[in-house]
Amino acid sequence: DTEVTQTPKHLVMGMTNKKSLKCEQHMGHRAMYWYKQKAKKPPELMFVYSYEKLSINESVPSRFSPECPNSSLLNLHLHALQPEDSALYLCASSQPGLAGSSGTTDTQYFGPGTRLTVL
Amino acid sequence: SQQGEEDPQALSIQEGENATMNCSYKTSINNLQWYRQNSGRGLVHLILIRSNEREKHSGRLRVTLDTSKKSSSLLITASRAADTASYFCATAYTGGFKTIFGAGTRLFVKA
Repeated sequence: DTEVTQTPKHLVMGMTNKKSLKCEQHMGHRAMYWYKQKAKKPPELMFVYSYEKLSINESVPSRFSPECPNSSLLNLHLHALQPEDSALYLCASSQPGLAGSSGTTDTQYFGPGTRLTVL
Repeated sequence: SQQGEEDPQALSIQEGENATMNCSYKTSINNLQWYRQNSGRGLVHLILIRSNEREKHSGRLRVTLDTSKKSSSLLITASRAADTASYFCATAYTGGFKTIFGAGTRLFVKA
């Protein structure tokens, strides 16, 4: 199984709402990522989890809160978002780097993304 | 910025023609990867080339890497309408722990 799944596919939320994005993989990967992608732009890294520990936070605002409950699941909790946060949110997974390192540079497998609209 | 540069930004060709996309980067790398993204969807990994490799093939894809020029190219031969997508190079820098995506090339293949 080389699939990364993401739910929901689409999400519309108001600036006062709290919502969560979910990502799941069953490839035994121990590195998982959240990216944000605006239209006609490349993906921008937000967070990296390695062995279920947050290893990279690319100075993301605190209104985005990641969580890795176990090695197969990755959540992104959203609260008090702004309209400029509207984007495609992509989850990815990969084999990790060395245990204790902060990330990996190996092939990443991406989910289909969640299209988020903030009103 | 560590982000790689890609050219052209957009490329429009006829079905059956070859498509070449280029990627340049700034510092030493462990590997360079190419991904494809269909409109509004997730990215699909195409090929990974390591810093000690010069050329790699996968089906209709051919990737070259010139570390002296800090550049890579992706060649798609005998293109098909289904190849229409955005193509991104992604570089893994030596000593770094993350992969940085280039700006991408939007390829249009006309049937």
